[in-house]
Amino acid sequence: GAVVSQHPSWVICKSGTSVKIECRSLDFQATTMFWYRQFPKQSLMLMATSNEGSKATYEQGVEKDKFLINHASLTLSTLTVTSAHPEDSSFYICSAGGARSGGEETQYFGPGTRLLVL
Amino acid sequence: SQKIEQNSEALNIQEGKTATLTCNYTNYSPAYLQWYRQDPGRGPVFLLLIRENEKEKRKERLKVTFDTTLKQSLFHITASQPADSATYLCALDPASNTGKLIFGQGTTLQVKP
Repeated sequence: GAVVSQHPSWVICKSGTSVKIECRSLDFQATTMFWYRQFPKQSLMLMATSNEGSKATYEQGVEKDKFLINHASLTLSTLTVTSAHPEDSSFYICSAGGARSGGEETQYFGPGTRLLVL
Repeated sequence: SQKIEQNSEALNIQEGKTATLTCNYTNYSPAYLQWYRQDPGRGPVFLLLIRENEKEKRKERLKVTFDTTLKQSLFHITASQPADSATYLCALDPASNTGKLIFGQGTTLQVKP
């Protein structure tokens, strides 16, 4: 089946540093990937749509200069949290479309990256 | 305003019973709804997709219904097992076929042996 990986699975960093999270589609090509954030006991909130070869589109209220997205190839998108602060601590999850399951298009999600900013 | 709502209270049921979870939406006209399972500390796993012209869809012990008049989807797990314990999320594409998903807050299901 379609597999999406994320790296790292968890990261702890100091306030003010930048953190890069990778999202890879392992066995299919994804022209579009999505980045979500999830706070404890809350649902997934869409942050941005990552488009291969073009600029990402961000949801309202998401700072594009703070959350840099690069979709360099059909199998890799990266999210960089720049100048991270404690309020950026969250669970970041990517998903990739373009895969089919039983004839239906759907998204496949990565396992998530837990970010803790001290 | 646009909303997608699930019962935030945990659902506790006995093994073997049928679990029914509800997803209601407001001010959306989705072409389809999706249901996902999420275990703690993990990403969501796709379960079922139901389109607006489908009233019901089944997959093994899972059944989903979609009522566009009521703006509601019901998710059923029959013959529930402790391994079904997880959080279940409904999601819709707000603009149809963009691939973007808006999620409900999820309902946590606890199946007791």
